[in-house]
Amino acid sequence: EADIYQTPRYLVIGTGKKITLECSQTMGHDKMYWYQQDPGMELHLIHYSYGVNSTEKGDLSSESTVSRIRTEHFPLTLESARPSHTSQYLCASSKTGVNTEAFFGQGTRLTVV
Amino acid sequence: QKEVEQDPGPLSVPEGAIVSLNCTYSNSAFQYFMWYRQYSRKGPELLMYTYSSGNKEDGRFTAQVDKSSKYISLFIRDSQPSDSATYLCAMLMNTGFQKLVFGTGTRLLVSP
Repeated sequence: EADIYQTPRYLVIGTGKKITLECSQTMGHDKMYWYQQDPGMELHLIHYSYGVNSTEKGDLSSESTVSRIRTEHFPLTLESARPSHTSQYLCASSKTGVNTEAFFGQGTRLTVV
Repeated sequence: QKEVEQDPGPLSVPEGAIVSLNCTYSNSAFQYFMWYRQYSRKGPELLMYTYSSGNKEDGRFTAQVDKSSKYISLFIRDSQPSDSATYLCAMLMNTGFQKLVFGTGTRLLVSP
């Protein structure tokens, strides 16, 4: 089983609240990713990181922000949650190099009411 | 047009059936092909990984890649109820950040 953890697993929160989704991995992977997945839809990359102090936006525009201060930690923050942010957020990590496997966390299911 | 097309299903089969799951893609720059399995309320886990055209077998699972047709398949033999999950194909280019591009996933239901 992959050593990548996301908390919380489920979050229901009111509109306008600030939230942080946590993601940690103990595999020493340089690359980390955040994907957004809606029911019946493909995973969309919203953020990625090559390593410490490196963050980039993915293909899908997102109002969230990320930080990478430590190799093992890649939190995602929404400053002001809205119902349109309701989705499943999946964190993943992989080693640097070609054709390396991406390991996924269990996901955080976010509902904004 | 999406880069990766995958029938979302659901696909319902009886236990013991042979299952065929498929994806097509449009970008010939994709070089690496993966199949992930995702159980309900879990993150995806890697099932199969292939690079070249042809077949790769692992137990009851066979991954097939046809780069000339831009078509990949996953076959499951002797399907079990525990195989009920969503199967996502994913592809990777050998350039740039090498981010994975996923299909929508096909939901498979294997009934006892």
